[in-house]
Amino acid sequence: AAGVIQSPRHLIKEKRETATLKCYPIPRHDTVYWYQQGPGQDPQFLISFYEKMQSDKGSIPDRFSAQQFSDYHSELNMSSLELGDSALYFCASSPSTETYEQYFGPGTRLTVT
Amino acid sequence: QQPVQSPQAVILREGEDAVINCSSSKALYSVHWYRQKHGEAPVFLMILLKGGEQKGHDKISASFNEKKQQSSLYLTASQLSYSGTYFCGTVPGGTSYGKLTFGQGTILTVHP
Repeated sequence: AAGVIQSPRHLIKEKRETATLKCYPIPRHDTVYWYQQGPGQDPQFLISFYEKMQSDKGSIPDRFSAQQFSDYHSELNMSSLELGDSALYFCASSPSTETYEQYFGPGTRLTVT
Repeated sequence: QQPVQSPQAVILREGEDAVINCSSSKALYSVHWYRQKHGEAPVFLMILLKGGEQKGHDKISASFNEKKQQSSLYLTASQLSYSGTYFCGTVPGGTSYGKLTFGQGTILTVHP
């Protein structure tokens, strides 16, 4: 079965640089979620999109922005990177059902040096 | 508000059972359970909607007590492959889009 695809899988950036993370949801899933997970921590919700519109916002810094495109893929743009942004970034997708069960992609490991 | 999981860690021998609890101070719409192995993505196990009890995999089941706003995950006859960190994720009542707030995780280790 098709799964969520994220690219790149690993990314190394320097402080103050920008990064773009991409997410391709499972076919026919119209909702995308972004989570950030630091070492030894639980995933923290950043932002979500339903049918290309932002549906919810969590603890996402103003330096980050995201959008969902017409083909339902989503991109997370991160600017002025800081050392503390180093983390695993997961994208999850969900079909539009009342359960909102979410399937996670493999993640992008971002390292800021 | 973050749900509270207990215990923080469990060590088992193959074949033993375990229960992991997840409590919330807020009225919940649903509770989602995930297992995550180190450096990998969380893997969806099952979801409990308010008022429902659902069995997912054959030896893993869960319940949801609406009055207590508490969910429990039951692992029976554990296997080595059950090792990992278990997270509950909660969706509060009144939320329409499934934003998950995760508990701090329970580390489960199964030994031969």
